[in-house]
Amino acid sequence: AQRVTQPEKLLSVFKGAPVELKCNYSYSGSPELFWYVQYSRQRLQLLLRHISRESIKGFTADLNKGETSFHLKKPFAQEEDSAMYYCALSYSGNTGKLIFGQGTTLQVKP
Amino acid sequence: DGGITQSPKYLFRKEGQNVTLSCEQNLNHDAMYWYRQDPGQGLRLIYYSQIVNDFQKGDIAEGYSVSREKKESFPLTVTSAQKNPTAFYLCASSMGGAGGNEQFFGPGTRLTVL
Repeated sequence: AQRVTQPEKLLSVFKGAPVELKCNYSYSGSPELFWYVQYSRQRLQLLLRHISRESIKGFTADLNKGETSFHLKKPFAQEEDSAMYYCALSYSGNTGKLIFGQGTTLQVKP
Repeated sequence: DGGITQSPKYLFRKEGQNVTLSCEQNLNHDAMYWYRQDPGQGLRLIYYSQIVNDFQKGDIAEGYSVSREKKESFPLTVTSAQKNPTAFYLCASSMGGAGGNEQFFGPGTRLTVL
């Protein structure tokens, strides 16, 4: 079955340190992957998607089909990056449904 | 901000009562979704609808019901059969089909059963 795994519930780093939020998925075909972010007292919103290959707020994520991973990275964390991050998978034939990981809380300390 | 509204923001219910959560969107999206968000469990899909007058069960549909009589509206009823209804509920919508799978989320409703 299709599945998304985010192994870390909490990731705590100091401001200026590099950040990597891990996401692994299980799906044998061609997936579409997303990172969503939920800042405190704000609604869940799209951060980036792999097909656009953009860098948003300094974050990037590369789809690695060999390792079935879609890790989110930022070279220098900022305090305003503190939030809950969800990795999500959409796959062909699933009618637009997203499968979400358990989420990782990123805490950036001053 | 948004285009998806959910009401109320907070809802309290006594055990044994049904309660309906509202979700409205003005994005002209075909598809709408209901999720439940619990700490450490991510978002779990309750029901989804790809088109008016049609909807399908998600992964945790037991104890819930929905309707999709209008494109803009997708209300969720939490029935007394739902054993653990206290949670944060999120509604989302997407263009669907060739429009892509990006989902846009509402602000959520926090339901507490007393």
